[in-house]
Amino acid sequence: NAGVMQNPRHLVRRRGQEARLRCSPMKGHSHVYWYRQLPEEGLKFMVYLQKENIIDESGMPKERFSAEFPKEGPSILRIQQVVRGDSAAYFCASSIQPGEEAFFGQGTRLTVV
Amino acid sequence: DAKTTQPTSMDCAEGRAANLPCNHSTISGNEYVYWYRQIHSQGPQYIIHGLKNNETNEMASLIITEDRKSSTLILPHATLRDTAVYYCIVRVALGKLIFGQGTELSVKP
Repeated sequence: NAGVMQNPRHLVRRRGQEARLRCSPMKGHSHVYWYRQLPEEGLKFMVYLQKENIIDESGMPKERFSAEFPKEGPSILRIQQVVRGDSAAYFCASSIQPGEEAFFGQGTRLTVV
Repeated sequence: DAKTTQPTSMDCAEGRAANLPCNHSTISGNEYVYWYRQIHSQGPQYIIHGLKNNETNEMASLIITEDRKSSTLILPHATLRDTAVYYCIVRVALGKLIFGQGTELSVKP
């Protein structure tokens, strides 16, 4: 049973471009969480999704950021018009039920140049 | 979610038990205590969780005080590969994980 898969592992974008980060949860998991870790800082919750629904987006920046988890396919975190401050590691986690332990992927490291 | 307080850093000798404390004095009756660790910028790794009883698994033991206001994570025989940042989190059953600053554990030979 493969773990949570995130791709790409490293992503470089120029300022103003779009970044798309993908997360395939563990098999049988329908709950997905996205976190951001800025350099030398802790993990910050961004958004919690269940298949086709956003459950909690209290940590999402109000502009340029969006997330989806379609019925088929991976969860996508999309950042439009990236700025240097978006450079960070973005981690995805999944769980089988919302109260069960969440398993994390290895992250996508976004660098905006 | 209740706030947790952990020491910023700790050292432990290889082969000895590592005891990592956590204070969560404002914990509610329906909040669980979770422990995760992050090894050098890898994805966080689940370790253990509990509500009020002590728990043990292949990685660690979790001791929760009777009043639930604090807990201790025990790594019985620490190895160099246990060097990581350890996060104590309190969480309602359906809630998101809120990470604090954690304890940076250094296991030394």
